Amino acid sequence: QVQLVESGGGVVQPGRSLRLSCEASGFPFRSYGIHWVRQAPGKGLEWVAVIAYDGSYRYFGDSVKGRLTISRDNSQNTVYLQMNSLRLEDTAVYYCAKSLLRGVSPWDAFDMWGQGTMVTVSS
Amino acid sequence: EIVLTQSPGTLSLSPGERATLSCRASQRISSNSLAWYQQKPGQAPSLLIYGASSRATGIPDRFSGSGSGTDFSLTISRLEPEDFAVYYCQQYGSLIVFGQGTRLEIK
Repeated sequence: QVQLVESGGGVVQPGRSLRLSCEASGFPFRSYGIHWVRQAPGKGLEWVAVIAYDGSYRYFGDSVKGRLTISRDNSQNTVYLQMNSLRLEDTAVYYCAKSLLRGVSPWDAFDMWGQGTMVTVSS
Repeated sequence: EIVLTQSPGTLSLSPGERATLSCRASQRISSNSLAWYQQKPGQAPSLLIYGASSRATGIPDRFSGSGSGTDFSLTISRLEPEDFAVYYCQQYGSLIVFGQGTRLEIK
């Protein structure tokens, strides 16, 4: 079955950390870049981060730069999003999404999305 | 950074009618790197159109995309009940940016 499954969300206090996982199946995972996109309650979509198919590049949105890191384990078909120094405004559903095309460019449309995992930052 | 502005914010139409959604960019989008997504309540977005006018796998031909440069549109030729949702445009020519969305509701 071709899918992405996120996990690791939950309720966390401001300033604490959380690690999200995105496990893939059903496609050649090691050939595709993977992105994270978030959606605050009742709001639109915000791109968060991308990691290359081989981990050779990682880029982040301005609102999370310096607080989030992204990594991948191609042997486990999994991408990780480490979220540090969490803020109230990080509260959102976090989706992982697959790049449409194989290849080097980090900038692409997303042809597969996970179901999302909710992160709530609250004191 | 490119800013995408979608209009209208909400579009009220009836099944069987034609819908036209607009997405305007603050700068030219290179290589027509513009995609459209549909999101239904409680679900993840799903890809409809990429490269401004190419339908994603399995997308019915009542959905079409057009435009270039800074002005793009998504047209749904005859609305089906399942088409009422929120639609987002996304540019991926440089970084990734989403528009704020257009809500398509039943009139």
